[in-house]
Amino acid sequence: ETGVTQTPRHLVMGMTNKKSLKCEQHLGHNAMYWYKQSAKKPLELMFVYSLEERVENNSVPSRFSPECPNSSHLFLHLHTLQPEDSALYLCASSQAIGTPTVGDTQYFGPGTRLTVL
Amino acid sequence: GNSVTQMEGPVTLSEEAFLTINCTYTATGYPSLFWYVQYPGEGLQLLLKATKADDKGSNKGFEATYRKETTSFHLEKGSVQVSDSAVYFCALRVYGGATNKLIFGTGTLLAVQP
Repeated sequence: ETGVTQTPRHLVMGMTNKKSLKCEQHLGHNAMYWYKQSAKKPLELMFVYSLEERVENNSVPSRFSPECPNSSHLFLHLHTLQPEDSALYLCASSQAIGTPTVGDTQYFGPGTRLTVL
Repeated sequence: GNSVTQMEGPVTLSEEAFLTINCTYTATGYPSLFWYVQYPGEGLQLLLKATKADDKGSNKGFEATYRKETTSFHLEKGSVQVSDSAVYFCALRVYGGATNKLIFGTGTLLAVQP
């Protein structure tokens, strides 16, 4: 596997379920990100991890809980979601958070299409 | 605040037509500017970028010039192909703060017909 992979690609869950999204990067990067992509809205940054430490939490509800056990893996744990949480959830990684001269280009995974019933 | 505005789609063109997708931005400081492309069923891929005024980013026949005077970063291609059909996102990043996060536009769907 190369690049950034995400599993599952599609997920349907009820409002009382607990599920997790998984992201894995095979690029040797130190920073990882979760984004939410909803129809007709800009991508929303949810969380940023650098060297396994959370450095940004963009006012995301507590029903979304991220976990970064090492620099290659990022999880998004979901519980008691609402129908409006249905969206495409994208993971990304970059070499660093840094400046234009450092490797801060973000590489995205294919996303998990989440539907909350 | 920082924001990106891009033209609403969908943009529908015939093969070999000229493409322009407009993007303007508002930013404090000196942003870097990006175009990302999302093909059906895939994640976003960096298409091109420019880090300072008058820089031109180019890739795969696409070009965009960083125009500070008009705060714009319009995407152009001289002759589109069916394989260019995708959603195109303009984005900016202002450096400073903890994460230097990307700010995206809403995306523009391009449909190229044979």
